[in-house]
Amino acid sequence: TQLLEQSPQFLSIQEGENLTVYCNSSSVFSSLQWYRQEPGEGPVLLVTVVTGGEVKKLKRLTFQFGDARKDSSLHITAAQPGDTGLYLCAGTNTNAGKSTFGDGTTLTVKP
Amino acid sequence: DTAVSQTPKYLVTQMGNDKSIKCEQNLGHDTMYWYKQDSKKFLKIMFSYNNKELIINETVPNRFSPKSPDKAHLNLHINSLELGDSAVYFCASSRRFSTSTDTQYFGPGTRLTVL
Repeated sequence: TQLLEQSPQFLSIQEGENLTVYCNSSSVFSSLQWYRQEPGEGPVLLVTVVTGGEVKKLKRLTFQFGDARKDSSLHITAAQPGDTGLYLCAGTNTNAGKSTFGDGTTLTVKP
Repeated sequence: DTAVSQTPKYLVTQMGNDKSIKCEQNLGHDTMYWYKQDSKKFLKIMFSYNNKELIINETVPNRFSPKSPDKAHLNLHINSLELGDSAVYFCASSRRFSTSTDTQYFGPGTRLTVL
């Protein structure tokens, strides 16, 4: 069974602070996705990374895929209250037809 | 237009009852999924269908029976509901089955509470 562990599980910070969320696995994935889920809604894809060592930036969010394609990180610069939500990483392998999700990081950004 | 829709949004029922959740996607995707999210927010795949055919069944009890009448619909019927079935159930779709990069689009979820 492929497992993805996220850390921290809970994070509460003030507006303007920076933060990093980690997603670690002992398994190799073809790609890794990061999702954000808001209360009462389904997860929404933020980014997909596919190449070991890849770095992608989405405004204040920076995503990195580990060289060995087993882990990933999400860094948020100058967090805003609108960043509040549940962040989920998910690993996918070609032909597997499914994604394995991490256990989630709940982020609260206080104004 | 909603890409992936589910009905109902909330479902409260007694133990032992049978209930169904419906899902529709208007994206023209080939692949649809059912996920279960427990109280700790852990999201786990239950079923995956590709072109109306069951591809993945993640050791889900037989009480859960998915049905795909066409590519745009994937319904979930649950017999003899148990307390442990209480969770949020998400439907999702993606363009194709076998790739690792196609985006999965999730529905808004159905919160099932079994009393």
